[in-house]
Amino acid sequence: ETGVTQTPRHLVMGMTNKKSLKCEQHLGHNAMYWYKQSAKKPLELMFVYSLEERVENNSVPSRFSPECPNSSHLFLHLHTLQPEDSALYLCASSQVRGAARNYGYTFGSGTRLTVV
Amino acid sequence: TQLLEQSPQFLSIQEGENLTVYCNSSSVFSSLQWYRQEPGEGPVLLVTVVTGGEVKKLKRLTFQFGDARKDSSLHITAAQTGDTGLYLCAGASTGFQKLVFGTGTRLLVSP
Repeated sequence: ETGVTQTPRHLVMGMTNKKSLKCEQHLGHNAMYWYKQSAKKPLELMFVYSLEERVENNSVPSRFSPECPNSSHLFLHLHTLQPEDSALYLCASSQVRGAARNYGYTFGSGTRLTVV
Repeated sequence: TQLLEQSPQFLSIQEGENLTVYCNSSSVFSSLQWYRQEPGEGPVLLVTVVTGGEVKKLKRLTFQFGDARKDSSLHITAAQTGDTGLYLCAGASTGFQKLVFGTGTRLLVSP
């Protein structure tokens, strides 16, 4: 497989459930990201991992918990979510070089999350 | 907070027409990228511009980065139905590994 793969593509969960989103990249990139895309709002950065170290947590509620066990895998653990957390969750990867000039992201197809 | 405003928000045109999408900010970016997103998919990178005043062409698409590196435009010549999608600009700042995304322009090209 090539590119960035996200699973599952669709997820419906109750507010008391615990679930995880998975992202895998096969590009040899050294940075991975979680973004949230809601209707009528710009893409919102949630977390950044560079070389498996979390370098940014963009004021995301603690009910979202990221995990990056290696440079190819990224998880987003979800628990006690709210209906307003329903959105498309996108994973992306990139190769960050030298002075961190960004050469563009490769996105996965996203997970459409519905919280009921 | 860096913001990128895109205009127009929505654009509905006929095949064969030309259009321009704008991306504006009060912040300076070291590079700017354009993505297209189709329903049910993630955004796909179209181009990266890095030099103020730079113009890049990708078939019928022309991208320009403003001289001051605060704004950009995307011009499509003779639009086709396959150009339909959400167009996103995204700015990167030197020293950061993150992109700031614009508000998006939803384009519908009808036959």
